[in-house]
Amino acid sequence: EPEVTQTPSHQVTQMGQEVILRCVPISNHLYFYWYRQILGQKVEFLVSFYNNEISEKSEIFDDQFSVERPDGSNFTLKIRSTKLEDSAMYFCASSRRRLMTQPQHFGDGTRLSIL
Amino acid sequence: QQQVKQSPQSLIVQKGGISIINCAYENTAFDYFPWYQQFPGKGPALLIAIRPDVSEKKEGRFTISFNKSAKQFSLHIMDSQPGDSATYFCAASLTSGSRLTFGEGTQLTVNP
Repeated sequence: EPEVTQTPSHQVTQMGQEVILRCVPISNHLYFYWYRQILGQKVEFLVSFYNNEISEKSEIFDDQFSVERPDGSNFTLKIRSTKLEDSAMYFCASSRRRLMTQPQHFGDGTRLSIL
Repeated sequence: QQQVKQSPQSLIVQKGGISIINCAYENTAFDYFPWYQQFPGKGPALLIAIRPDVSEKKEGRFTISFNKSAKQFSLHIMDSQPGDSATYFCAASLTSGSRLTFGEGTQLTVNP
């Protein structure tokens, strides 16, 4: 069964540094998402992306964050200047269509640790 | 108004028992309610989902009950098995939207 793959599985970064998290969505999917989960807390929506632009973003997704689909297969989340509170598990997801009846398929996440 | 509240935080049941997890939402515009299952080290995976035009949906041992007037929905796992031990998240969204709003999660342990 096709799956969403995320790299790296664990990223350790110094506070203030830029970090790029990478995702390869399922090949025939058109909608892409990032979520994060701070340890012990709920999964939170960050952003959705379609047709090379942001469809929707949450209050968490401020100017420090950006997303990009640099080629036909990768989808990236960049955090420009990391803060301690950015430490979390980041999940990428993709779906075939935007309507929520098309399920979002999640990757296994990248654990981001900010020192 | 976007919150989804989930309970209990953790649940321990014996093999063969019924596991029940409850969620409540505030936004009456929500019209899609999925449940996700997450194993350690893995991402959430869709388990079952319901639209508010039905009060119940069953898939195998998993059933969602939905009460629109109370703005509540629940997951029932019949004949719970040790392999069901995982974290379960309820969620809510608009079918026209792209954002899943998750509950806090329930860590289910099924003892053999």
